[in-house]
Amino acid sequence: AQRVTQPEKLLSVFKGAPVELKCNYSYSGSPELFWYVQYSRQRLQLLLRHISRESIKGFTADLNKGETSFHLKKPFAQEEDSAMYYCALSGRNAGNNRKLIWGLGTSLAVNP
Amino acid sequence: DAGVTQSPTHLIKTRGQQVTLRCSPKSGHDTVSWYQQALGQGPQFIFQYYEEEERQRGNFPDRFSGHQFPNYSSELNVNALLLGDSALYLCASSLGAVQRTGELFFGEGSRLTVL
Repeated sequence: AQRVTQPEKLLSVFKGAPVELKCNYSYSGSPELFWYVQYSRQRLQLLLRHISRESIKGFTADLNKGETSFHLKKPFAQEEDSAMYYCALSGRNAGNNRKLIWGLGTSLAVNP
Repeated sequence: DAGVTQSPTHLIKTRGQQVTLRCSPKSGHDTVSWYQQALGQGPQFIFQYYEEEERQRGNFPDRFSGHQFPNYSSELNVNALLLGDSALYLCASSLGAVQRTGELFFGEGSRLTVL
């Protein structure tokens, strides 16, 4: 079954501390993984995708196929990072169409 | 570019009523997907429209239906509303039916409350 698991519903860290938001997935093929973010009173938006291997706002995420994980990391959290983070997997369904499968999200709170 | 726009932003209905939500995709996008996001939950895929046809559907009953117009805008209709339909309904647009890049552009949502 295709599934995305974000084990932490809430993660609270202090400003300047490292942060890691966990994402594990279950998918039989070659997945494409994404992190979406929703800041307070803003719309859901793409943060980064694994195929681009880029760092956005200091965040990085590496796809680990052996551990089926795509954890989101930032070495020094900032207060403006406080938001809801969703991990999503793009996979093909029976009709060979892609759709996104979403985790339940992790709420990150960065405290001053 | 206004991005994805949705209307109305908030609405209140009573059980048994019907509701229509509207979405205009980002300029240049031809595919619209609808999601339901209950409080504290992640987005749940309802369906996707491309070339005025429903291309994919999530696990939602037939009370949920939609339409896409020639200008790519879309409507989501929900009949016989239940209390459990109370949620934020998100519209997302992309280019191409298969969402190859997985990058969706979201609207701010329509908050539906069913009393």
